[in-house]
Amino acid sequence: EAQVTQNPRYLITVTGKKLTVTCSQNMNHEYMSWYRQDPGLGLRQIYYSMNVEVTDKGDVPEGYKVSRKEKRNFPLILESPSPNQTSLYFCASSRTPDSNQPQHFGDGTRLSIL
Amino acid sequence: AQTVTQSQPEMSVQEAETVTLSCTYDTSESDYYLFWYKQPPSRQMILVIRQEAYKQQNATENRFSVNFQKAAKSFSLKISDSQLGDAAMYFCAYRSRYNYGQNFVFGPGTRLSVLP
Repeated sequence: EAQVTQNPRYLITVTGKKLTVTCSQNMNHEYMSWYRQDPGLGLRQIYYSMNVEVTDKGDVPEGYKVSRKEKRNFPLILESPSPNQTSLYFCASSRTPDSNQPQHFGDGTRLSIL
Repeated sequence: AQTVTQSQPEMSVQEAETVTLSCTYDTSESDYYLFWYKQPPSRQMILVIRQEAYKQQNATENRFSVNFQKAAKSFSLKISDSQLGDAAMYFCAYRSRYNYGQNFVFGPGTRLSVLP
């Protein structure tokens, strides 16, 4: 089954404790992206990757890192999480970066930073 | 930069009735794509319908259709014969044709309730 898999689905942690949210897709997609969803703001792009070893900042990259060593994986790293990073996070992928390609979303990760 | 506005934070509709969710956007580009995504309580993001700006014909997908007014920069979603399973958060999204990668802009969402 074609899917984007995020882990964990829920995480409660404390300020400053490094964490990684994993994202994996099995569709051989070139393009992958991370979003955060906050009430009243919709989804905002954090980082995206056009292909392996090619990543770039989205609209709200501060406090986040990503890597794309393999085509299928695109982890989101919070080196020193802070309470303002409490949010719902989505990973998405599409076959190519072309604009007519729909994005496939993971099921989301609810992060709470205390 | 592009922006997407959804002026109705919440809406409700009676089962089997029709409801229209509004979306407006701001852009200086002439070619782009517009999407409606549905997010049920399960949190999944499900593509409902897609419109290409250079196509004048409004997109339809079964009970879902759009009213795309390019000059007015308006992209409303009409749900006909509403069903209980339509209850969800709906997001309007804009995607630039030219700005590869950093090109998806979402509105704040409209929460739709369907009353039995």
